Amino acid sequence: DTGVSQDPRHKITKRGQNVTFRCDPISEHNRLYWYRQTLGQGPEFLTYFQNEAQLEKSRLLSDRFSAERPKGSFSTLEIQRTEQGDSAMYLCASSPNGRQPQHFGDGTRLSIL
Amino acid sequence: QQQVKQSPQSLIVQKGGISIINCAYENTAFDYFPWYQQFPGKGPALLIAIRPDVSEKKEGRFTISFNKSAKQFSLHIMDSQPGDSATYFCAASKRTGANNLFFGTGTRLTVIP
Repeated sequence: DTGVSQDPRHKITKRGQNVTFRCDPISEHNRLYWYRQTLGQGPEFLTYFQNEAQLEKSRLLSDRFSAERPKGSFSTLEIQRTEQGDSAMYLCASSPNGRQPQHFGDGTRLSIL
Repeated sequence: QQQVKQSPQSLIVQKGGISIINCAYENTAFDYFPWYQQFPGKGPALLIAIRPDVSEKKEGRFTISFNKSAKQFSLHIMDSQPGDSATYFCAASKRTGANNLFFGTGTRLTVIP
């Protein structure tokens, strides 16, 4: 399978714990995006990388969230001190460059107890 | 503020019928308009996309109609099949910057056999 891969698919944690998600984009895709999708809504942009550089963050990305793409390949999204409102599907997408279609992974569903 | 408005919220169509989903936008900086299909527990999958230099694009049973002056675009699914039952999202992105996608709120399509 050469699509976007996300791990884990599901994460259940207690409020206040830290969680980390991983995204492996399509090989040689320079752009990597993180989106958040809540029930019954469309995905909302969180942040994106051009190779290893994080170039933009949305206002949705509070200071409890941090993302990395250390070698320009896979990326991680960490949420510290999780809150109930963080419960959502976290989606990763990649594209060859900024003007090409974005291909999504199947997401990580986060549930906060 | 929802940058892309989508309707209807839900749609029920008989097998073999035509499904039509509409979207509207205000930001004239948008220049790329994709449609995504999402099944439960899966990430959005790109169906078809259009740029504003054409008024219509067809791929198999899926057609996008684009009206630049009205800032509206729509998805037509011809000969709808039960396997088309899913949630459909329109989206838009700008020419410059992050090129991140702004999604509509989704349309849940049910095709009755």
